[in-house]
This record gives sequence, structure tokens and C-alpha cells, in this order.
Amino acid sequence: DQQVKQNSPSLSVQEGRISILNCDYTNSMFDYFLWYKKYPAEGPTFLISISSIKDKNEDGRFTVFLNKSAKHLSLHIVPSQPGDSAVYFCAATPSVGSQGGSEKLVFGKGTKLTVNP
Amino acid sequence: DTGVSQNPRHKITKRGQNVTFRCDPISEHNRLYWYRQTLGQGPEFLTYFQNEAQLEKSRLLSDRFSAERPKGSFSTLEIQRTEQGDSAMYLCASSLADVKLFFGSGTQLSVL
Repeated sequence: DQQVKQNSPSLSVQEGRISILNCDYTNSMFDYFLWYKKYPAEGPTFLISISSIKDKNEDGRFTVFLNKSAKHLSLHIVPSQPGDSAVYFCAATPSVGSQGGSEKLVFGKGTKLTVNP
Repeated sequence: DTGVSQNPRHKITKRGQNVTFRCDPISEHNRLYWYRQTLGQGPEFLTYFQNEAQLEKSRLLSDRFSAERPKGSFSTLEIQRTEQGDSAMYLCASSLADVKLFFGSGTQLSVL
């Protein structure tokens, strides 16, 4: 069963506009969430994270929002740039330390973002 | 370069052959992970080391797969008697006692 779901396989936006990528999760034990960006032929690169004690975390053009009651998070990119074109993965993990230290991440299937000039 | 290094980048093999991949983590990182990614899917956890101890293995890791991390530094992932279903990107990641994983560029395995 897919514990982390990214229901939009792809998203296309115009340069300068907002990109909103969505992620839903089913496991109520998850309480730390991360977004990774992946370019072709490269490994995923950490982008931004959020703990369940917060509902928003911002880093430059990137903001992640968490709605714990809805088990939903979203990544906002404003303004979008052509260099943001990549596959974005949402990942989640249970409480840090609850797994005996492994903190393994559960990933969604990814959303391919294309930012058109 | 102080990132996670994986070798080889690409491996083509025939079904039934054994293959071995190497991962060199970021030097001060004590945790090392192996993930597998197939087309259209996100990375899936395979196994995890803290220093030299292999502390967790996924049920995805059949007995044909073995991973080692001697001396708590680099790690190897070996697949014996490869099958076509083993074709995937094998990703290594490392971390320093937190959830922020740093990934290598991966080894793309093609089993013919």
C-alpha cells in the first residue's frame, strides 16, 4: 500500500508563476516530512523539510505547508524558474528516534514539474 | 568533492551473473542507506547501516542481495544470480544521525 501519495504525475507552469505540488499520507505515525528534487541521471537532493509541530516552513522561494488533520502537505515554489524543472518527491518518516535510529524515509512516486520560459 | 560517491554509474549484465556496487558516503556520516528506484516510482528503502552494523533490512531485500559496510566507511551491495526484475537505479545515501539524507547519483543496473 502506498503510504505517501503524490497523485499528480506531472505539473506544468509558466515561469514567474506559482508551482504547487501536493502530497497526501496515510500513516498517522509519520510526523516529519521532506521534499527532495531530482534531476535526470542524478540522485535526489534535499530541498526543505517540516516537523509536525509546525504548519509552515519557508526557505527562500520554497514553502512547505502541513495540514496534519487532513494528512496533507504541499510545496509552493514562488516564483517558479526554468531551473526548477525536475521531479519532486515527497517523503515521510515516523518520529525521529522511534525506529531505533534508522529514520528511513518513505517516498511518494514523484511529480514531474516543468517550468516553461 | 565531499558528496556521496557511487560506482559504477551504469552496469549492464546478463541474467544469472553477480554484480557488486560500491558507495562511499560523506566521510563524517555514520549512517548509510541503500534504496532502489524503478521507473515511475519513488526510492524504496532496502537496508541501513549505523557505522559497520547492518541494523535493518527491508523485505524487498531477498537472500540474493547482501550488503556490507566494513570498518564503517564505504559500503558494497552485491546481487547474486541477477534477474530481469532487479533492473533499477540503486541509490546510496548517508546522514549524520538525522533524517536529512544525502544521496549519491546512483548505479543504473540493466539485466538483459
